[in-house]
Amino acid sequence: QKEVEQNSGPLSVPEGAIASLNCTYSDRGSQSFFWYRQYSGKSPELIMSIYSNGDKEDGRFTAQLNKASQYVSLLIRDSQPSDSATYLCAVTQKGNKLVFGAGTILRVKS
Amino acid sequence: DAGVIQSPRHEVTEMGQEVTLRCKPISGHDYLFWYRQTMMRGLELLIYFNNNVPIDDSGMPEDRFSAKMPNASFSTLKIQPSEPRDSAVYFCASSLGGAGGYEQYFGPGTRLTVT
Repeated sequence: QKEVEQNSGPLSVPEGAIASLNCTYSDRGSQSFFWYRQYSGKSPELIMSIYSNGDKEDGRFTAQLNKASQYVSLLIRDSQPSDSATYLCAVTQKGNKLVFGAGTILRVKS
Repeated sequence: DAGVIQSPRHEVTEMGQEVTLRCKPISGHDYLFWYRQTMMRGLELLIYFNNNVPIDDSGMPEDRFSAKMPNASFSTLKIQPSEPRDSAVYFCASSLGGAGGYEQYFGPGTRLTVT
């Protein structure tokens, strides 16, 4: 079992729709969860962090965490073509290590 | 702030040669991370430092890889000898604190091609 699993996609959504990205993790001891966005040929950049169960909203982005189910998700409302990128889920392990999922490719069609 | 600086941005070398990748973290950050990204394996942590001291190098693939951080503003990742399977994008990242609660800022990466 991979430590952090994501559907590789591509996930295609029309402009203006809600994009839903999902991630599961295996280590029940993980405490911190992150979503990074990576454009092709660029480095990852942090877009959301979440530490407790429930929802966290920031603009068009909402992160959801369910530690009992070991599940993290990212919702992007009013998706724009500029949101087209690879979204990486990252989870802390053993204190200060981040483990990344393989990423989900999102394509927003105008 | 200039962000995390990496050099070179691209490196092409022949199998068996020594390769040195360089990183300058953001000033004031006390954690530095080296990652490798490939299509097959995704983004993997190789090693990380806290206050210039290597804390966890369990991700370093083999003895051909070594990393140093002689001071708070400079780190190197060396591969000797290089092999074609080392071809990847190598990222350096830095943060104010550990991965638990602090954002990691990534450099632009070094694209390494070993022929």
